[in-house]
Amino acid sequence: SQQGEEDPQALSIQEGENATMNCSYKTSINNLQWYRQNSGRGLVHLILIRSNEREKHSGRLRVTLDTSKKSSSLLITASRAADTASYFCATDATGGFKTIFGAGTRLFVKA
Amino acid sequence: DTEVTQTPKHLVMGMTNKKSLKCEQHMGHRAMYWYKQKAKKPPELMFVYSYEKLSINESVPSRFSPECPNSSLLNLHLHALQPEDSALYLCASRPGPFATNEKLFFGSGTQLSVL
Repeated sequence: SQQGEEDPQALSIQEGENATMNCSYKTSINNLQWYRQNSGRGLVHLILIRSNEREKHSGRLRVTLDTSKKSSSLLITASRAADTASYFCATDATGGFKTIFGAGTRLFVKA
Repeated sequence: DTEVTQTPKHLVMGMTNKKSLKCEQHMGHRAMYWYKQKAKKPPELMFVYSYEKLSINESVPSRFSPECPNSSLLNLHLHALQPEDSALYLCASRPGPFATNEKLFFGSGTQLSVL
């Protein structure tokens, strides 16, 4: 991808389980964002974490950021079938507004 | 109004056609983006407009020609495309280039097929 890698590339879990996705990036950043995309549709913003933050929560979402390792993780707790989608991390490089996306994780939650 | 509206939703064109994609937002955002996304791949940045001026061009072929006629509208003019240009084209906006900790608002995209 233009910025970094995400793993796993695909994840299949049962409803009620937690899903963890990881993202790595290459440059210094202002912030890291997570987006969700349902098949063939536009992206929806989930959460933004600034470079000086280490952890952030929003509902069932928990994001961590480790700038020393240039990595982030997204945890979705108590997953639902409706969480089935692709999840992308995206970064804004320091001093710029060029938003670059990671490769993405395809999550499938079985009911 | 917190929407980014893209038209058309679907477009089929021949390699000799000229067509345009349209993107509109009324949130007062001053930075607007075009991304291209192939199936099962992440969005790839094409262009960024800041205050109606082209700020970033990611070495996109000249058969793609962006235009920002005013602060609410962004067009992408297409001419002599190739079949490999078939993809989902996404428009996005954010408040401004200096609002560096602001999220992107995306339209639902135009699915383009080049025959």
